Amino acid sequence: GNSVTQMEGPVTLSEEAFLTINCTYTATGYPSLFWYVQYPGEGLQLLLKATKADDKGSNKGFEATYRKETTSFHLEKGSVQVSDSAVYFCALKIGSGGGADGLTFGKGTHLIIQP
Amino acid sequence: GAGVSQSPSNKVTEKGKDVELRCDPISGHTALYWYRQSLGQGLEFLIYFQGNSAPDKSGLPSDRFSAERTGGSVSTLTIQRTQQEDSAVYLCASSKTRDRVSEQYFGPGTRLTVT
Repeated sequence: GNSVTQMEGPVTLSEEAFLTINCTYTATGYPSLFWYVQYPGEGLQLLLKATKADDKGSNKGFEATYRKETTSFHLEKGSVQVSDSAVYFCALKIGSGGGADGLTFGKGTHLIIQP
Repeated sequence: GAGVSQSPSNKVTEKGKDVELRCDPISGHTALYWYRQSLGQGLEFLIYFQGNSAPDKSGLPSDRFSAERTGGSVSTLTIQRTQQEDSAVYLCASSKTRDRVSEQYFGPGTRLTVT
């Protein structure tokens, strides 16, 4: 089946530190890959996506590159801010049929940025 | 434009009662998804609709769960004879199409508490 593995944390960093949140996946087909973010008290928001190998998704200073050879989609940011404190979810979606139509999510990584 | 809306935002019910959760997707989005978010299970995909049709109901946790969509728009998720393990946040999402590259946009969720 399909699965997503990510570090759960909490991950605690100081402001302006470099961030990496690892995400690896297994998929029965060719997936699209997504990062969603959930800020405290808010709903899930799409952060970025990549739909084919070697694509790079980027948004709000965050980046992730679709690595088919290592089945990974690690999230990076060069300089984090306190406002980046949130829970980050890696997810995949493959084609239609057989119950595979929804997103498959990782467990989420709780990120805490200290001033 | 308007995002995905869900109602009620909170629902407290007694064990054994039936509950109905509502989702209004983004106008023009043909695909609609239901997920459940709980501490123990993370984010689980439940069911999806393409138009008014739900091709695969195997993600529903038990036969106490059912869902329908009418007019290609509003969807309701019904839980009969609620149990304490049904307590969770129920999320609805919609996307323009069902294909793997189409982004899903999430509503704020309904927090269900079964006492």
